[in-house]
Amino acid sequence: GEDVEQSLFLSVREGDSSVINCTYTDSSSTYLYWYKQEPGAGLQLLTYIFSNMDMKQDQRLTVLLNKKDKHLSLRIADTQTGDSAIYFCAENTGRRALTFGSGTRLQVQP
Amino acid sequence: DADVTQTPRNRITKTGKRIMLECSQTKGHDRMYWYRQDPGLGLRLIYYSFDVKDINKGEISDGYSVSRQAQAKFSLSLESAIPNQTALYFCATSDSGEDTQYFGPGTRLTVL
Repeated sequence: GEDVEQSLFLSVREGDSSVINCTYTDSSSTYLYWYKQEPGAGLQLLTYIFSNMDMKQDQRLTVLLNKKDKHLSLRIADTQTGDSAIYFCAENTGRRALTFGSGTRLQVQP
Repeated sequence: DADVTQTPRNRITKTGKRIMLECSQTKGHDRMYWYRQDPGLGLRLIYYSFDVKDINKGEISDGYSVSRQAQAKFSLSLESAIPNQTALYFCATSDSGEDTQYFGPGTRLTVL
């Protein structure tokens, strides 16, 4: 079946790195995504990784994929207060639509 | 202008009322989706449409219906709203050639 799990909350200090973790169960996932939702706003696509990749880096963002353990992580370097938001991981197995995790609320303390 | 728009952005209604939420897109995408978001539950799929003549139920379609009036328009209806349909509703689109979905700003619906 399809199930995506994330921890609900993460608190870091400004300037530190943040690591948000996600586990999924469907090994046929083709793409895995990270979306960001700021308060009162919709979902903004941050980055995605294709299932045949292990890592993708985009400026301050690093995505790591461990297919064996079905584990996805998002690392934000030099976390800023503007990074405070809810981060959703999602998978797309190619069958229909995205399956989302419950979201991780990132709180950045000054 | 935003690529995916939703109207209204906020709506308060009473139990038993019929409500329609609308979604329009200028991205030229074939595929459109409706999700609802509840605190701590992430987003759950209500309905999706891969083209104008295609409508499919998602995981939580009971109590909802949809209409794909055109490639660019996909509306969600609550025939008789109930309080547990209070949630944030998102429309999304994707192109048939790729899997990435793009979301609208959301509609906050409160059913009293």
